[in-house]
Amino acid sequence: DVKVTQSSRYLVKRTGEKVFLECVQDMDHENMFWYRQDPGLGLRLIYFSYDVKMKEKGDIPEGYSVSREKKERFSLILESASTNQTSMYLCASSSQTGTAGYLGAFFGQGTRLTVV
Amino acid sequence: GDSVTQMEGPVTLSEEAFLTINCTYTATGYPSLFWYVQYPGEGLQLLLKATKADDKGSNKGFEATYRKETTSFHLEKGSVQVSDSAVYFCALSDQWGSTLGRLYFGRGTQLTVWP
Repeated sequence: DVKVTQSSRYLVKRTGEKVFLECVQDMDHENMFWYRQDPGLGLRLIYFSYDVKMKEKGDIPEGYSVSREKKERFSLILESASTNQTSMYLCASSSQTGTAGYLGAFFGQGTRLTVV
Repeated sequence: GDSVTQMEGPVTLSEEAFLTINCTYTATGYPSLFWYVQYPGEGLQLLLKATKADDKGSNKGFEATYRKETTSFHLEKGSVQVSDSAVYFCALSDQWGSTLGRLYFGRGTQLTVWP
């Protein structure tokens, strides 16, 4: 089975801190994604990546950056955390190749970040 | 651009009741369609999918049919159980182009099933 692992289930950080959220997948997937989930808003895409060192902005990239130095790892960085970044963060991965691309994305368990 | 609209919840049902959660989509190409489920405190799990018009996805008693003419992918289950209580998300994915593999989600529908 595909496994997407996020480094933390819960995090509490202070305003202004630099925050790193880590995500690792073990299925050699080309695509990786970071979403945030907020009540009433569903899932919104922050950034995604189709290959190592590649990144694309999603719908709400402001205040975030990403890093993909290895194929299996995709990091989300909050440069200076703010209270409006308190949210559930979900990492996902998917394959590009052939019919496997139709499998959709596989998700990690989520990181609930609270910025105080 | 691509988007998904699903019925707002919450939906509350008694055990063994029939479930429908409506989902419609807007897409420029020929998307794949998905239903994901999120149990409390967990990430999203793929429930079922359909990749072309008239395909029916099914899993765990849930079904959804890809209707191109009505741009819909409604989720149905004939007899819900307490264990089906969760949040359900409808989603679509581009199949090619610069956004290959990106998922566009509806806002989610909270389902609560009472014994």
